[in-house]
Amino acid sequence: GAGVSQSPSNKVTEKGKDVELRCDPISGHTALYWYRQSLGQGLEFLIYFQGNSAPDKSGLPSDRFSAERTGGSVSTLTIQRTQQEDSAVYLCASSYTGAGESAQYFGPGTRLTVL
Amino acid sequence: GESVGLHLPTLSVQEGDNSIINCAYSNSASDYFIWYKQESGKGPQFIIDIRSNMDKRQGQRVTVLLNKTVKHLSLQIAATQPGDSAVYFCADKRYNFNKFYFGSGTKLNVKP
Repeated sequence: GAGVSQSPSNKVTEKGKDVELRCDPISGHTALYWYRQSLGQGLEFLIYFQGNSAPDKSGLPSDRFSAERTGGSVSTLTIQRTQQEDSAVYLCASSYTGAGESAQYFGPGTRLTVL
Repeated sequence: GESVGLHLPTLSVQEGDNSIINCAYSNSASDYFIWYKQESGKGPQFIIDIRSNMDKRQGQRVTVLLNKTVKHLSLQIAATQPGDSAVYFCADKRYNFNKFYFGSGTKLNVKP
């Protein structure tokens, strides 16, 4: 079946602009995660959605970052007034149930470059 | 601080040999662990997971060992193949928390 998809695959933007990154999770997966990966680094947790529960936003680095998940499926990560330090690969993952109960499956990521 | 770390940043092995990738964690409340493989330009790919009530779990050519006494996790790859060349991450989740903590990764180079 189809895996997690993300769009765009690459995004180049100018400092100060807003960007939106999209994630389509695997159908039927109730949990969705966003991570950020800087070059040669591990993954930094950003936000977690589980069903209709309030999202866990504890990993968002600043109030310029926000995310929503509509209809329990597609999610959008928005970065306002982008800064050069926001440049990274943004990865989305979904899992069948909540954290710790099943493995996460990752999308290919969106490479964001802020000039 | 509380983190998942890796002993070796790079591991080179000969094709056909067995590989062992190690990971240390510091939080005794960690109850679920996952190993991921990440190839260049791709998202992490799930390899195998293990819960804290287990010591060992086997998959196809891979085995994960968990030693809770010393807070150590290892991934063993049997008969390593060129296609196994990638960066391997371990990740852990703490009990009653939603997020996973990832190490910085070990790069596995398989020499033909």
